[in-house]
Formats: sequence, C-alpha cells, structure tokens
Amino acid sequence: GAVVSQHPSRVICKSGTSVKIECRSLDFQATTMFWYRQFPKKSLMLMATSNEGSKATYEQGVEKDKFLINHASLTLSTLTVTSAHPEDSSFYICSARTSGSPDTQYFGPGTRLTVL
Amino acid sequence: LAKTTQPISMDSYEGQEVNITCSHNNIATNDYITWYQQFPSQGPRFIIQGYKTKVTNEVASLFIPADRKSSTLSLPRVSLSDTAVYYCLVGDWGGGYNKLIFGAGTRLAVHP
Repeated sequence: GAVVSQHPSRVICKSGTSVKIECRSLDFQATTMFWYRQFPKKSLMLMATSNEGSKATYEQGVEKDKFLINHASLTLSTLTVTSAHPEDSSFYICSARTSGSPDTQYFGPGTRLTVL
Repeated sequence: LAKTTQPISMDSYEGQEVNITCSHNNIATNDYITWYQQFPSQGPRFIIQGYKTKVTNEVASLFIPADRKSSTLSLPRVSLSDTAVYYCLVGDWGGGYNKLIFGAGTRLAVHP
C-alpha cells in the first residue's frame, strides 16, 4: 500500500516558538494532502486541505496565520505551527490522496506536539 | 458529504468474528465507503474500500446492501491486536472527492 511519512514523530518546544512538521508521500505523488489534529480519546478533526502549487483551504475556526501550510511539491506538505502555545499541544496527522478510480487517502503516523 | 453513524463501542473475544455496521442514509451516487483502523498515538490505517455488494481483502470483508444506506465491516477471528478504533467514512472518491470528515468511530475491545 501507499506510504506516508511524517517528521518529526515527536517534538517538545517552548511557548512562543514555531514548529514545522513535514508530511511526505513516499511512493506516490499526491496533489492533495490533508492536515488533522486529534486530542486524546477524540476523533480526528480536519484542519486544512493542502493542494500542490496553490493556497491551502482551511476549515472553519482554524487560524490560517497560526497554522501555515505549504505544499511545495507533489510529495511534500509542511505544517508550521507559529508562536506555539500550550493549547496547541496535540497529535497532528497528515494524509495524502492517491489518484485513480477510486482514489484513497493514506495517513501518516502522526506527530505529537507538546508546548511547554 | 454523507454523515455516518456507528456504534460507539463493541466488545469481543479472541477468535470471534466481529461485524461493525455503519449507517449512511444520505450516501450519494458517486460515494465510496472506506474503513480505517486507528491504534492509540498512530495515524489511521486503511482497511478496505467498496462501492457495492461485497469486497474482501486479506484482513477484512465489507458488505454493502443494494440500497447502500449501510455497510458492515467484518473482521474474521479477531485477536487482541485488533483492539482499536474503527472509522467508517463515505466520500466521492471517484474524482469529485475533496475531504474526509471523521465521526466518533467504533472502539473495539478484544478480550482474551
């Protein structure tokens, strides 16, 4: 099956710093990637849709200046949490959409962000 | 995007077959049904996808009745390692699909 990686898997940072999370599709090209966050014992919440070569589409309530998304190539999307605060601590998961009929979303392993 | 309804939790024992049913009354003509499995602190793992009738792969079967308003994920002979949350999602995967909205999922607990 298709493989999606995320880096780093875990990050701890101080309040006020920025953190970048990378999402890569390793064996396929993805024109569309997605970013989710998940709190303990809760379901995944879609944050934004990342399209290669264009601006990301953010879900209602998600601050685009806070969560910067860049989809610079067909295999890489990045999420930057700017000026992170403790309430940004969460599990961030990306997914990449394959092409084909039907297409399918494959998920990365997730990144645990802890803001002190 | 069609909403889905699943049981919040299920319990089973090792070696049993587990069937998890998902309701999607508003499924559209172009929508496919996809199931994911998620372990704690991991991203969801693709299990199976289908459009109608029955689909089977090495880990599960997916049964979809003719009206497609529900679907059933069948896990044969579960083991302790199948304890996880299972999500049912529907979406237009045939080109018009845009995004997935996750519901609460079904928390399956497999007991010895």
